[in-house]
Formats: sequence, C-alpha cells, structure tokens
Amino acid sequence: GESVGLHLPTLSVQEGDNSIINCAYSNSASDYFIWYKQESGKGPQFIIDIRSNMDKRQGQRVTVLLNKTVKHLSLQIAATQPGDSAVYFCAENSGSNYKLTFGKGTLLTVNP
Amino acid sequence: SQTIHQWPATLVQPVGSPLSLECTVEGTSNPNLYWYRQAAGRGLQLLFYSVGIGQISSEVPQNLSASRPQDRQFILSSKKLLLSDSGFYLCAWSVLDSPLHFGNGTRLTVT
Repeated sequence: GESVGLHLPTLSVQEGDNSIINCAYSNSASDYFIWYKQESGKGPQFIIDIRSNMDKRQGQRVTVLLNKTVKHLSLQIAATQPGDSAVYFCAENSGSNYKLTFGKGTLLTVNP
Repeated sequence: SQTIHQWPATLVQPVGSPLSLECTVEGTSNPNLYWYRQAAGRGLQLLFYSVGIGQISSEVPQNLSASRPQDRQFILSSKKLLLSDSGFYLCAWSVLDSPLHFGNGTRLTVT
C-alpha cells in the first residue's frame, strides 16, 4: 500500500489567509520529499522540495516543513489566492531513479 | 528549457481496441522517463519507468506495456483495452537530482 498519506482530503480557506496542508509518511528511509499542485485537467506541477537533511525550506509564498521524528511533512501557503485552488500532493522518494510514492491529495478551495 | 509533450489530450476507445500514447521530452538528454496513471479522486500510480533506450521497468502487472525507441520518446501501449484501463495517464521525466516534471496528461475513456 501507499506509505504517504494526507491528514485532510479537503481544505477550504478565505482569500488572504494562510493555508497549511499536511502529509504523513511511514518510510523512515525516505530522503527526498516533494509537493505538487495539480489543477483540474492538468498534470501535477512542481512546487517545492526538501531533502531529509533539512527541516525547512522556503519558496515564493510557500514553505515546506519536515519533521523526521514524527514523519510529517507540511506545505504552508501564505496569503492564499484563488489561483491556489487545486489538489496538492506530497510525494516521497526512498529509492533510486526518483521512483516517487504519492499521497492521495488534498483539495484546496480558496473562497473570495 | 525543458518541455514535455504528451498526446492526445483526450481519447475515447472501445473495449478491445489497441492503444498508443506518446510522450516526448525536449531540452534534455538521457532523462528518466515515467508513465503514471491517476484514477479519479486518487493519487498517482507508477506504471513504468525507463532509465535509457530500450530499458523498461514495470511496476504493476497489467494490460499495458511501454517502449522507449528513442532517448526522449516514451510510448504506452495496449493490444486490447479493458474498461478498467480508463483513467488519466501522465508522462514524466527527471534527471539526476531533479524532481519529476509532468506532462499535461491524456484522459482515456474506454467504453
């Protein structure tokens, strides 16, 4: 079965609020994690990644936090905008050739 | 810059018919190539991956096959489609130390 899962299948936020999407993983050997955004009818789009030697990584309006102790990954989106509405997937890689294992996804809805 | 092309965008095929989905990558050499399937409301399932021409690894035994006739071309095929083959098929590429980059997918409906 899948080793990556999401805590919430849906998340609804108001425009301008911060969003936090969570993800749990079970493989302690995983050393690379990625967040993807998928809009309806499109392929997943890379957002941000983090390696296991880091706890935090920031991008433009997004921050990924990695807690290896509890095997937890989160994606924070600052000042959420309507264009952020999409399904967000976390993925982990614990092997070679970037064979990623994906979670089922969280649907983020941003209300104007 | 690198780009990935996947076609067709949508496809409706009858049960028992053959399938051929094509994916090409531009702007990079010797990429790892992948085929994923995404069922409605679910995550992505890795079907095949390839680290080089003619090298195919299958992750899930099923009615599909893959081929890599050229460095940047990846083809997903079936001789006879089943209803259960319906889904959203995604091609992706990666190179060393880079994340996977996906195409925009093919929505396959088997009727």
